[in-house]
Amino acid sequence: GAGVSQSPRYKVAKRGQDVALRCDPISGHVSLFWYQQALGQGPEFLTYFQNEAQLDKSGLPSDRFFAERPEGSVSTLKIQRTQQEDSAVYLCASSRLQGKIGEQYFGPGTRLTVT
Amino acid sequence: DQQVKQNSPSLSVQEGRISILNCDYTNSMFDYFLWYKKYPAEGPTFLISISSIKDKNEDGRFTVFLNKSAKHLSLHIVPSQPGDSAVYFCATSGSARQLTFGSGTQLTVLP
Repeated sequence: GAGVSQSPRYKVAKRGQDVALRCDPISGHVSLFWYQQALGQGPEFLTYFQNEAQLDKSGLPSDRFFAERPEGSVSTLKIQRTQQEDSAVYLCASSRLQGKIGEQYFGPGTRLTVT
Repeated sequence: DQQVKQNSPSLSVQEGRISILNCDYTNSMFDYFLWYKKYPAEGPTFLISISSIKDKNEDGRFTVFLNKSAKHLSLHIVPSQPGDSAVYFCATSGSARQLTFGSGTQLTVLP
């Protein structure tokens, strides 16, 4: 079956532009996570959805970052007024376990470069 | 303050020998531990996990060991194969559902 897909795979934005990154989770997975991975580091948590509810957004680095999952499936991570420090790979992961910790299935990521 | 540390950024091992990757954590509330493998231009792929009630979990060539008193986790791969060459991340979780990752170890298995 299809895994987690993300688009675009690569995005170059000029400083100050807004960007939108899309995630299509595995069908039926109720949990969806966004992570940010800087060069040479491990992924860092940004936000978590259970179905359409955003249950945790404690990892979002500023109010320029916004995520949504309006129908409990596809999710979009939006970054407003991009800055150079936003350059990173943005990973989306989904999980089928609702009430317990479960293995997360990651997409290939979107590499964002802010110039 | 890093809660999960992988102190070796890289490791080289001869094909057929054992690879041992290490990970230390600081938060005693973590109760579930995982290893992920990552190839270039791909997302991390789940490899193996262990809960805090166990000290060992084995899956084929991969074994994860957990030492709760030392807050230490290790992954053993035996025998190592060239296709195992990748970046390995350890990850932990507690009451929150998100994973906390280490910075990764690049494993190179030499033929």
